[in-house]
Amino acid sequence: DAGVIQSPRHEVTEMGQEVTLRCKPISGHDYLFWYRQTMMRGLELLIYFNNNVPIDDSGMPEDRFSAKMPNASFSTLKIQPSEPRDSAVYFCASSYRSGGYTFGSGTRLTVV
Amino acid sequence: AQSVTQPDIHITVSEGASLELRCNYSYGATPYLFWYVQSPGQGLQLLLKYFSGDTLVQGIKGFEAEFKRSQSSFNLRKPSVHWSDAAEYFCAVGTSGTYKYIFGTGTRLKVLA
Repeated sequence: DAGVIQSPRHEVTEMGQEVTLRCKPISGHDYLFWYRQTMMRGLELLIYFNNNVPIDDSGMPEDRFSAKMPNASFSTLKIQPSEPRDSAVYFCASSYRSGGYTFGSGTRLTVV
Repeated sequence: AQSVTQPDIHITVSEGASLELRCNYSYGATPYLFWYVQSPGQGLQLLLKYFSGDTLVQGIKGFEAEFKRSQSSFNLRKPSVHWSDAAEYFCAVGTSGTYKYIFGTGTRLKVLA
């Protein structure tokens, strides 16, 4: 398996633009997680899905953030409109039940 | 609420020396415990995990960790550190049934040649 695949690896966008981050989880994994990592706040769980259904989105910072999982092999995290404080590394991770996460390589987002 | 603390932000050891990274958690029941490693520009890689049973857990890359319920700790150890172990290490705690893990703030390991 190729592991968890995230795209793009780097994204630079202007404030106010829409940003879409993509994730392909490991085949057979039934949980998918979106995390954000910053120096100030560390790793924060934004949202997670079980069998494509959002279970807990309490970590989503505000209405500008939305996430979808239309099928078992694809998820998106969208920020609209983006702001400079959204600059961070965004990780997608997947797991089979409680076996521990497999993380993607992350998307480094810079909003200027 | 569950929480996890990694008291050491930075640790420096010489290559070949032993290593212990500390992790303390706060949770009422038996937690699920994990250690992850993150190399620069990379995602986090699972080193080892504890769910139940033997309190000494062996992981990849020669790492081990010991669950001590009385001390609410899950410290990571390695008998002899290699230069390639330089990275950031994260402890995480989870609970049965939620699959939602809380990560510590990380310990950055520097290895001196």
